[in-house]
Amino acid sequence: KAGVTQTPRYLIKTRGQQVTLSCSPISGHRSVSWYQQTPGQGLQFLFEYFSETQRNKGNFPGRFSGRQFSNSRSEMNVSTLELGDSALYLCASSPNVAGVSLEQYFGPGTRLTVT
Amino acid sequence: DQQVKQNSPSLSVQEGRISILNCDYTNSMFDYFLWYKKYPAEGPTFLISISSIKDKNEDGRFTVFLNKSAKHLSLHIVPSQPGDSAVYFCAAGSNSGGSNYKLTFGKGTLLTVNP
Repeated sequence: KAGVTQTPRYLIKTRGQQVTLSCSPISGHRSVSWYQQTPGQGLQFLFEYFSETQRNKGNFPGRFSGRQFSNSRSEMNVSTLELGDSALYLCASSPNVAGVSLEQYFGPGTRLTVT
Repeated sequence: DQQVKQNSPSLSVQEGRISILNCDYTNSMFDYFLWYKKYPAEGPTFLISISSIKDKNEDGRFTVFLNKSAKHLSLHIVPSQPGDSAVYFCAAGSNSGGSNYKLTFGKGTLLTVNP
C-alpha cells in the first residue's frame, strides 16, 4: 500500500497570507489527523477527521481549519499567517475504529516558512 | 499542562548496549501508549504500542514496559545500533471511543548511538 502523501513538501509564505495543505491517507484509512511540530514543542494536535466530520480539535485559534472529502483526502487551511506559524505540518491516517488500536501512520510533512 | 512528558531531551549510548527511553503521563484516562521514531525531514514512524491491560510488549529489539501505578512507560532497545539514532516520541491516547480520538505526544528524546 502507498503511504500517506502530503503536498506540497515545502512552502514559503508571507505574513498575512493564507495557505492550504493537502493530505492523502493510506487507502482504506478513514481517519486523518493533523499535527504541528515546532522545535522543542513536540507534536501538537490540530484536529482529526473521520468520514468528513471533525471529531476532535486541539487548542489552536480559529485561523486553523480543515476539512475531509468523501475519498478521505484532507486539507488544512491557515488564514492570516503569522511568523509563529512556521512549522512542520504533519498529517497522519489511521483505520481508527473504536475499540481497535490507535496507531497512526504519518506522512513526510509540509515545511511551512512564514516570512 | 503537559500530559505526556519526556524529561530527557537527549540520550547517548554505545553501539551494542541498551538504550532506555522514559516517558511519564498524568492523564488517568490514557489507556493506549505508543512510541514513534523520527528521522530529520521525515514523518514519525510507528515503532511499538502497548495497551493498559498489559505491562510489557516486545517486538524484536524493542520492548515497551508500562507501570500504570507510576504512570510511567519506557522503551528499551537492545542491542542499540547506529541506525537507531533518531528522535523518539512517546504518545498516549484513549481507546475507549467517544470523542477522544487523538494522540498526545511528548516533546521527544534525541537518541544518539555511537559506533
